[in-house]
Amino acid sequence: AQSVTQPDIHITVSEGASLELRCNYSYGATPYLFWYVQSPGQGLQLLLKYFSGDTLVQGIKGFEAEFKRSQSSFNLRKPSVHWSDAAEYFCAVVGISGGYNKLIFGAGTRLAVHP
Amino acid sequence: DARVTQTPRHKVTEMGQEVTMRCQPILGHNTVFWYRQTMMQGLELLAYFRNRAPLDDSGMPKDRFSAEMPDATLATLKIQPSEPRDSAVYFCASGSSPSGGYNEQFFGPGTRLTVL
Repeated sequence: AQSVTQPDIHITVSEGASLELRCNYSYGATPYLFWYVQSPGQGLQLLLKYFSGDTLVQGIKGFEAEFKRSQSSFNLRKPSVHWSDAAEYFCAVVGISGGYNKLIFGAGTRLAVHP
Repeated sequence: DARVTQTPRHKVTEMGQEVTMRCQPILGHNTVFWYRQTMMQGLELLAYFRNRAPLDDSGMPKDRFSAEMPDATLATLKIQPSEPRDSAVYFCASGSSPSGGYNEQFFGPGTRLTVL
């Protein structure tokens, strides 16, 4: 069965530092991969997605992610974190369940940013 | 700026009461999803509609939960009777997915439900 693992439940970085959030997936074919961000009290907002093509994907808010098939990973990066990036981040993969395509989410990584 | 809207944003009710949550998907989207988010379970898919037809509600407790799409502009999720363990944030999402394919989902702001 398809699955997504986000190994880090909680990460704290200093403002201006670089960030990498890890995501590993389990899927037999070429996956459709997503990163969503959820600010407190808000819904999920799509940061970026990978369907095919260039393995380095640019997203909104200065985020990027790299698809590495050999490592089954889709890590999210940002070169310089801003205080407003404090939120929860979810990696997701489209999987087939019950005969239909569905989003399968990781457990999330909560990011705290120190001034 | 097209958005998924959900009402109410917050709901506090007593155990045993009926709760109805509403969602207006983005105009033109043909798929609607209901999710439940809790600290313990994370995001769980409850129901999935395409072209207003329910495709999958296996994630939903059948005895008390029901989901419908009376028309293309409205999706509802009902809990009757509600229980304290139903306390969670319920998200609706919509998307434009071709048959057999997939596209991104757009999430609403959620309904925070508290059952006392």
